[in-house]
Amino acid sequence: SQQGEEDPQALSIQEGENATMNCSYKTSINNLQWYRQNSGRGLVHLILIRSNEREKHSGRLRVTLDTSKKSSSLLITASRAADTASYFCATDAERDDKIIFGKGTRLHILP
Amino acid sequence: ETGVTQTPRHLVMGMTNKKSLKCEQHLGHNAMYWYKQSAKKPLELMFVYNFKEQTENNSVPSRFSPECPNSSHLFLHLHTLQPEDSALYLCASSRGTVTEAFFGQGTRLTVV
Repeated sequence: SQQGEEDPQALSIQEGENATMNCSYKTSINNLQWYRQNSGRGLVHLILIRSNEREKHSGRLRVTLDTSKKSSSLLITASRAADTASYFCATDAERDDKIIFGKGTRLHILP
Repeated sequence: ETGVTQTPRHLVMGMTNKKSLKCEQHLGHNAMYWYKQSAKKPLELMFVYNFKEQTENNSVPSRFSPECPNSSHLFLHLHTLQPEDSALYLCASSRGTVTEAFFGQGTRLTVV
């Protein structure tokens, strides 16, 4: 069953602008992760945020988690052409030992 | 390079063929996974192995048969597949079953 769902499905922005993607999920979680996938390749782990954390930073990435709303956001600041990819959130249900991925957001950075 | 290697990268097979996908990791991880990624569908978890024991079979048809001979290797044996099985098959590994996953580059499978 699908746990995380990203929004929007697709996003196009100008290089240099900030990109924000959202993820909503249904059940209580232990942690939430964000991954990036370049076209036709494997996923690369970006950041993991635990259920007791509210915000986390890694370079140009900022992730927030609101467990009361069961949602998370991924912000990429000062976007670059190389950020063009699909971004997925992945959650593990609190009483389950597997992670479930959403459908992803396709991000396109325009030159 | 994530440390997870999948072979082959591309595979074209007929519906009557038998083939195997291979995944290898030397990261010391205990958990290994097979995922299926089809166009416009969520990444589908197929199988989970934890310490070489299968802990998850997500209602996958029996024409897909996983094998985990040791904690570093994972296979997906394929037989009598259907055209709708054409997809990108991704292998991943992690220290535990709910921690950061490291993915291979995937095998692009086309069933003709």
